[in-house]
Amino acid sequence: QKEVEQDPGPLSVPEGAIVSLNCTYSNSAFQYFMWYRQYSRKGPELLMYTYSSGNKEDGRFTAQVDKSSKYISLFIRDSQPSDSATYLCAMSGGNKLVFGAGTILRVKS
Amino acid sequence: DADVTQTPRNRITKTGKRIMLECSQTKGHDRMYWYRQDPGLGLRLIYYSFDVKDINKGEISDGYSVSRQAQAKFSLSLESAIPNQTALYFCATSDAGTSGVNEQFFGPGTRLTVL
Repeated sequence: QKEVEQDPGPLSVPEGAIVSLNCTYSNSAFQYFMWYRQYSRKGPELLMYTYSSGNKEDGRFTAQVDKSSKYISLFIRDSQPSDSATYLCAMSGGNKLVFGAGTILRVKS
Repeated sequence: DADVTQTPRNRITKTGKRIMLECSQTKGHDRMYWYRQDPGLGLRLIYYSFDVKDINKGEISDGYSVSRQAQAKFSLSLESAIPNQTALYFCATSDAGTSGVNEQFFGPGTRLTVL
């Protein structure tokens, strides 16, 4: 079993929809939970991160962590075609990151 | 100019050939990483280095070797390339820092095809 599970999609939504992206994990030692965004032919870039449990909001993006369920989510409100990318969750409990497989998101105009 | 650069950006080679991928960074970070990305498998760590004298294997180091020539340079070698090493390869850097987030900054990637 992988330490981090993420549905690779693809996920296709109309412009303006609310998008929910999710990951589950098995390692209780993870403390930092991150979402990276990767555009086509580019390297991943950190979108936002959360320490331990709770929510964090940044504009149209909200990250949620539920450590009791070992489940994290990224919500995108009012999705735009420019949000079309691969979204990778990543987790850290020490010096290394463990990445999910990434979910391909397509927002149709 | 890009903070993390990788050369070459694309490479096609044949089975059995030796290949070197190079990474340079201007961010002044001590930590550097090599990952490969495959569809459905995400990013998997090949090797990482926390300073010039520190080299560590990641989860999939077999068939690969690395060299940390300087703080700013970290190269990945495939001594004898095989077709299942066809993938997208990324170099990344991070600052040791004290926040614990370990934000990593990625290069643009090298697309390697082994025939």
